[in-house]
Amino acid sequence: EVQLLESGGGFVQPGGSLRLSCSTSGFTFSNYAMTWVRQAPGQGLEWVSSFSGDGGRTFYADSVQGRFIISRDTSKATLYLQMNSLGAGDTAVYFCAKGRSWESSMRFESWGQGTQVTVSP
Amino acid sequence: SVLTQPPSASGTPGQRVTISCSGSSDILLSSYVYWYQQFPGAAPKLLIYANDQRPSGVPDRFSGAKSGTSASLDISGLRAEDEATYYCATWDASWGGRGVFGGGTKLTVL
Repeated sequence: EVQLLESGGGFVQPGGSLRLSCSTSGFTFSNYAMTWVRQAPGQGLEWVSSFSGDGGRTFYADSVQGRFIISRDTSKATLYLQMNSLGAGDTAVYFCAKGRSWESSMRFESWGQGTQVTVSP
Repeated sequence: SVLTQPPSASGTPGQRVTISCSGSSDILLSSYVYWYQQFPGAAPKLLIYANDQRPSGVPDRFSGAKSGTSASLDISGLRAEDEATYYCATWDASWGGRGVFGGGTKLTVL
């Protein structure tokens, strides 16, 4: 059974940093693209960043480009999202999601439960 | 938003409801459309992939279609438990690649 478990969320002051983790099990992590999606309070889903399964490519939303870094540790089957220069607009629940193949797409059949990030003075 | 959805839709039990998703420029012309269902406080669930394919376990009351730069999600035989928010999504391979969600449609079952 595929399992995704996010952690690392919490409260942070504007301008601060936070690193989210998505620990996975039940599949060969290195073979699949992984993605972070966020949802601000009362708002819709927003794609944040993806990491291709072949390890060759990363993708970022314009809203986080230059501030967030997606990475993975295949030995730990864990996906990360390093978030820097955080602002109020980054307050959201952050979900990690597993792709269908190595190639990045928007087909996610497995999701984590989400971790809350709150940016506040 | 690059993908435009109506903010709300409604129907009575047993009815058929259609939720639209319109793409700006040519974003949907050469990209697959995906549809997600989300209940409050829960992670999204994939309903439709590759425009019109259902993952196993998704009832055939849910169907998807795409034509040109627009897509739609049909829900037939509406049930109270279908009340949720529905999102369309696509992968935009231009500009280096990026994921895109529509703004979401809140479906109310009257």
